[in-house]
Amino acid sequence: AQSVTQLDSQVPVFEEAPVELRCNYSSSVSVYLFWYVQYPNQGLQLLLKYLSGSTLVESINGFEAEFNKSQTSFHLRKPSVHISDTAEYFCAVSEPGGYQKVTFGTGTKLQVIP
Amino acid sequence: NAGVTQTPKFQVLKTGQSMTLQCAQDMNHNSMYWYRQDPGMGLRLIYYSASEGTTDKGEVPNGYNVSRLNKREFSLRLESAAPSQTSVYFCASSPLDRGRTEAFFGQGTRLTVV
Repeated sequence: AQSVTQLDSQVPVFEEAPVELRCNYSSSVSVYLFWYVQYPNQGLQLLLKYLSGSTLVESINGFEAEFNKSQTSFHLRKPSVHISDTAEYFCAVSEPGGYQKVTFGTGTKLQVIP
Repeated sequence: NAGVTQTPKFQVLKTGQSMTLQCAQDMNHNSMYWYRQDPGMGLRLIYYSASEGTTDKGEVPNGYNVSRLNKREFSLRLESAAPSQTSVYFCASSPLDRGRTEAFFGQGTRLTVV
């Protein structure tokens, strides 16, 4: 069975500093990888995803994630965070098939400090 | 563009009471899902409907029932609420029940069972 580990439950960072949110997964088959963001009192929304091809994927608001097959990781990075990036971030892993095969991580709360 | 709409947004129930959480999507998606979100546990799939007319159990279906009323609507029913069902419930939809396609989430229903 697949699993997702987000080791950091909370990450405080000063505004304009870089940040990395870690995600590791385990699976015996090829996977699809997602990062979702949840702003306070809202539902999750897709930030970026890796399906195949280039291992570096980017979002429209400056986040990027790199799929590393050998380390089974999909860490999320941003070179300079803004106050508006304060949110909870969820990594999700999916094996081929339906949504019953999607596993979400426990989430990382990013707190951007002015 | 409403996307996925959930009602109610908040609810307090007494142990043993019943209620139905409503969900509707206007994106013409085939697949719909119900998740619960608990602190430190990420999102867990309760039930899903891969297409109109079908429903299947997810990871944590006990104590819940669902109805896919039509392509747009997917409701979740608690027949006899228990304190362990205190959680935030999210409805989601996707174009197809494929792990490679992202889900679109509603804003959630915060349920407290006392």
